[in-house]
Amino acid sequence: AQSVTQPDIHITVSEGASLELRCNYSYGATPYLFWYVQSPGQGLQLLLKYFSGDTLVQGIKGFEAEFKRSQSSFNLRKPSVHWSDAAEYFCAVGASGGYQKVTFGTGTKLQVIP
Amino acid sequence: ETGVTQSPTHLIKTRGQQVTLRCSSQSGHNTVSWYQQALGQGPQFIFQYYREEENGRGNFPPRFSGLQFPNYSSELNVNALELDDSALYLCASSLEQGNSPLHFGNGTRLTVT
Repeated sequence: AQSVTQPDIHITVSEGASLELRCNYSYGATPYLFWYVQSPGQGLQLLLKYFSGDTLVQGIKGFEAEFKRSQSSFNLRKPSVHWSDAAEYFCAVGASGGYQKVTFGTGTKLQVIP
Repeated sequence: ETGVTQSPTHLIKTRGQQVTLRCSSQSGHNTVSWYQQALGQGPQFIFQYYREEENGRGNFPPRFSGLQFPNYSSELNVNALELDDSALYLCASSLEQGNSPLHFGNGTRLTVT
C-alpha cells in the first residue's frame, strides 16, 4: 500500500528566508508524486508533479521539488518565502495502473513572519 | 476553462439523516474522485468514478455511495450520518491516466450535529 509521511506539522519561517518542506513516501514501483497547497477554507491547488525524467521539478509560485529515489523523498523548496505563501502544504503519491488513487500526507502548515 | 465546482458550500445535518453533495468536473475531464478531509488532516480517498462506474474505493463503508452522470458531473451520497462524518468533502476531476493531476473544487463543509 502506498503512504506519505510529512514529519513537520508546523513550520515558521521569516519572510525572505528559504524554505524546505519534507516528504517521504512508500510505494513499490516508480511513484507519481505531487505537492498541493491549501489556503484556509479552500480546495487544493497543484504546485508541481513528478512522473519521470529530471528529478528536479519546477512548479508554480517559484516552488521546486527534488525526487530522491534512494531516500524515498520528495522535498519541496523555495529560495525566498513571501507572506502570501502561508498555507498548508500536502505531499501526495499516486498509483499507476487500475484506478487513479492518490494518497495524501497529513500536511505541513506554514507560517510566515515579517 | 471551467474549473471544478461543488455545491453546497456549507451544510448542517442531524445524525441519522442523509445528504447529497454535488460536483461539476472541469471541462475535458472524465474522471471524478471524492475525498474526505477531517479537521487538521490530509484528504482521505473515498472513491473514484470513470465512465459512470465506481472503479476504485478507499476504506469507507457502503453508506458512502456516489454517481457519475454522462456529462461527468458527480454526486456523493452519505446515508445514516454520524458525528464523525463532519468534514470538508472535496471533489477532484482529472483524466483517467494515473499521472493526470487532480483538480480540486473548494469543497463542501458538512457539519453533523
